Formats: sequence, C-alpha cells, structure tokens
Amino acid sequence: DAGVIQSPRHEVTEMGQEVTLRCKPISGHDYLFWYRQTMMRGLELLIYFNNNVPIDDSGMPEDRFSAKMPNASFSTLKIQPSEPRDSAVYFCASRQRGNNQPQHFGDGTRLSIL
Amino acid sequence: GQNIDQPTEMTATEGAIVQINCTYQTSGFNGLFWYQQHAGEAPTFLSYNVLDGLEEKGRFSSFLSRSKGYSYLLLKELQMKDSASYLCAVRDQAAGNKLTFGGGTRVLVKP
Repeated sequence: DAGVIQSPRHEVTEMGQEVTLRCKPISGHDYLFWYRQTMMRGLELLIYFNNNVPIDDSGMPEDRFSAKMPNASFSTLKIQPSEPRDSAVYFCASRQRGNNQPQHFGDGTRLSIL
Repeated sequence: GQNIDQPTEMTATEGAIVQINCTYQTSGFNGLFWYQQHAGEAPTFLSYNVLDGLEEKGRFSSFLSRSKGYSYLLLKELQMKDSASYLCAVRDQAAGNKLTFGGGTRVLVKP
C-alpha cells in the first residue's frame, strides 16, 4: 500500500522565491496534517484538515504561509516570499477517523532557503 | 498549553534494555503516542496508550500513568538498528485533539 507521498524530497531556493510543497495522503484517510521540524523547535504542527476543510491553522507562522486541500487526495503548502529562517524539514501526515488512529508521515521535504 | 519533557539523549549497549521517560501536563489528556524517527527519515508509529497500564508489542512496551502525567517507552534486547530518536506525543482535548510532540530522545546503541 502506498504511504503518504510528498514532493519534492529536497528543495533549495533563494530567499524571496515562492516555494510549493505537495502531499498526497493515504487513500481513505480523513485527516491531513502539515508539520515543520527543526533542531531548535522540534516537530511543530502548522495546520490540519478534516475532510479537505482547514480546521486549525494556528501553527502557521505568518501570512507568508498558506495551505490548501482542493480534494481528498492532494494538499499544498506554499511559502511566499520564502526567507532563510523557513529552512526546515516539512512533513505531511494523514490518519483515519478516530482518536486512537496514528498519524502516518510522508518522507518529508528538506527545504533550504539561501 | 502543553509541556512535554523527555531526556535529550541516552546511550545503551546492544542486547540491553533502555527506558525512555516522558512527562506531560495537559488540560484534557486524550491519548499518548510514541514514534521512532531514524536520522533523515520520517517518524513512524510505535505505540498508543490512553488507559493506565502497560502495552506490549514485541521488544517494545509503553506504559502510562494518567494521574502522574507520565509515560515510558521500554526497548528490550536492543539492536543497533534501534539507534534513533524516540518522540512522545500527547493528544489534548482542550487543544482540539491536536498532537503535541516532545523534543525527542536520541538513543545511541553501542556494540
């Protein structure tokens, strides 16, 4: 079975550029999460969706970040304009309905903003 | 808010046992998860506790005491491949049932 699929795996770009990260959740999973992981701050939740609807975006750092989920099989996280402090690993995760259901993580996108 | 504490690093010998502690403070505890994360890879699910007691899964066990705000992950018969970070994550009803992750405990298994 395919897991959560993220693209690209690595992205290096210059500050000021727009960055778009993509995620395909596991089929049948109702919830989708975007996380950011850094050495300093660990794994932080940015935003999550339930049935394609954004439920909580309180973790989104600022207006430069936006996320969409146009359908059940695709989500994007966009940073515009990007800054060096946005450099991190961005993970997408999905899970089934039910609080005891674990989140399944994609392989992440390693983002470097120069 | 939530506060989740784990030791930063632990070292153990191959074949031995290691216990990774996690303490937490929440308003509406609603479950605790343990994840394993190898360097450069994604976190993978290990265990889930919502009631007090011990959950055993092969070489890995996880314990929960809700009254003490305490959990531990026990790794037995350590293997070199167990060298990884172990993340404790707590679900809080008062925070919309979101998962909040601890900083992780890096375990180094030595021969």
